[in-house]
Amino acid sequence: DAKTTQPPSMDCAEGRAANLPCNHSTISGNEYVYWYRQIHSQGPQYIIHGLKNNETNEMASLIITEDRKSSTLILPHATLRDTAVYYCILSSSGNTGKLIFGQGTTLQVKP
Amino acid sequence: KAGVTQTPRYLIKTRGQQVTLSCSPISGHRSVSWYQQTPGQGLQFLFEYFSETQRNKGNFPGRFSGRQFSNSRSEMNVSTLELGDSALYLCASSLSPAGEYREQFFGPGTRLTVL
Repeated sequence: DAKTTQPPSMDCAEGRAANLPCNHSTISGNEYVYWYRQIHSQGPQYIIHGLKNNETNEMASLIITEDRKSSTLILPHATLRDTAVYYCILSSSGNTGKLIFGQGTTLQVKP
Repeated sequence: KAGVTQTPRYLIKTRGQQVTLSCSPISGHRSVSWYQQTPGQGLQFLFEYFSETQRNKGNFPGRFSGRQFSNSRSEMNVSTLELGDSALYLCASSLSPAGEYREQFFGPGTRLTVL
């Protein structure tokens, strides 16, 4: 079973920031937080990952709380093309190549 | 650099038959993972191969099997097909199974329909 909890759906206005929460209260010390998204009918796409520090790349920012029990993915300026299912996944560096997907959050970006 | 390719993209089989799906990872990637996606169960991990060895296995019956070749290409086989095996089968490759950075690159999937 997935070890993360995400809201099933969220809406966001185009051009605004989308903040997607994820709870992972049983996270282990060696587990990273990964975010992937899946646009309809395509394979999932990696977005970002982090261990305990906040991370930023060209796609998004990842904010991890100090106790690491929750995190937030931020898409700073959402576009219609960001409409997708977003998955928050925990995985340890020693557990290679195995991603356990939950139900994810369906983000609908509206004009 | 070419992405992950999967063949065929669409497949129709009947119950009781067997099927083989193919995945070619990104050049240089040595780890290949397989996932099954259905509307009811979502995305589920099947197995992972690295250097021709199965490293991880999900909770699927023995009818589901896979293998990896020396060039890192991988195949998965499903024998004695059941209606419930109808799904999108996704393959993902990554550069290395070791260390922190393990971004997986997914292919477009093979849509299997069992009649």
